[in-house]
Amino acid sequence: SQQGEEDPQALSIQEGENATMNCSYKTSINNLQWYRQNSGRGLVHLILIRSNEREKHSGRLRVTLDTSKKSSSLLITASRAADTASYFCACGASYIPTFGRGTSLIVHP
Amino acid sequence: DVKVTQSSRYLVKRTGEKVFLECVQDMDHENMFWYRQDPGLGLRLIYFSYDVKMKEKGDIPEGYSVSREKKERFSLILESASTNQTSMYLCASSDGLTSGELFFGEGSRLTVL
Repeated sequence: SQQGEEDPQALSIQEGENATMNCSYKTSINNLQWYRQNSGRGLVHLILIRSNEREKHSGRLRVTLDTSKKSSSLLITASRAADTASYFCACGASYIPTFGRGTSLIVHP
Repeated sequence: DVKVTQSSRYLVKRTGEKVFLECVQDMDHENMFWYRQDPGLGLRLIYFSYDVKMKEKGDIPEGYSVSREKKERFSLILESASTNQTSMYLCASSDGLTSGELFFGEGSRLTVL
């Protein structure tokens, strides 16, 4: 069963704009992770936020977590064409994270 | 540099064939996973293993089996391939008992004719 659900399913922006993706989940979690997948490749881990954290930064990435609303957001600032990829959230209650269906991001040069 | 290696990036098999997908990790991780990825469905867990010779069913184990004889190697077996098993298969590994970072292989795209 899939716990995390990303929104929107697809996002198209211009280079330099910010991209925001959201993830909602249903049950309690220990942490939430975001992954990136370039077309036809494996997933790459971007960032992990624990349930007792509210915000985390890594380079141009900013992740927030609201456990009361059971939701998280991933913000990519000053997007680049190379950010074009699918982005997945993965919710972890045990050591088996469950993935959402992903957000497909296209950044136009 | 940590690495998860899947033996084949692309495979084409015929209905009824036995198919082996191999995955090797070099990080001494306890946990290994096989996911299947289909458009619009995201990643679905087929099987996982938390130790050598230990395995647990995921969400969609039907039609699949796995083998983990050594810590670094986790194999996915399709006993009799069917066209509805045409998909991208992703292997991953992780360390420990709490949900941490998964390291993924590059994927194996299987086409069953």
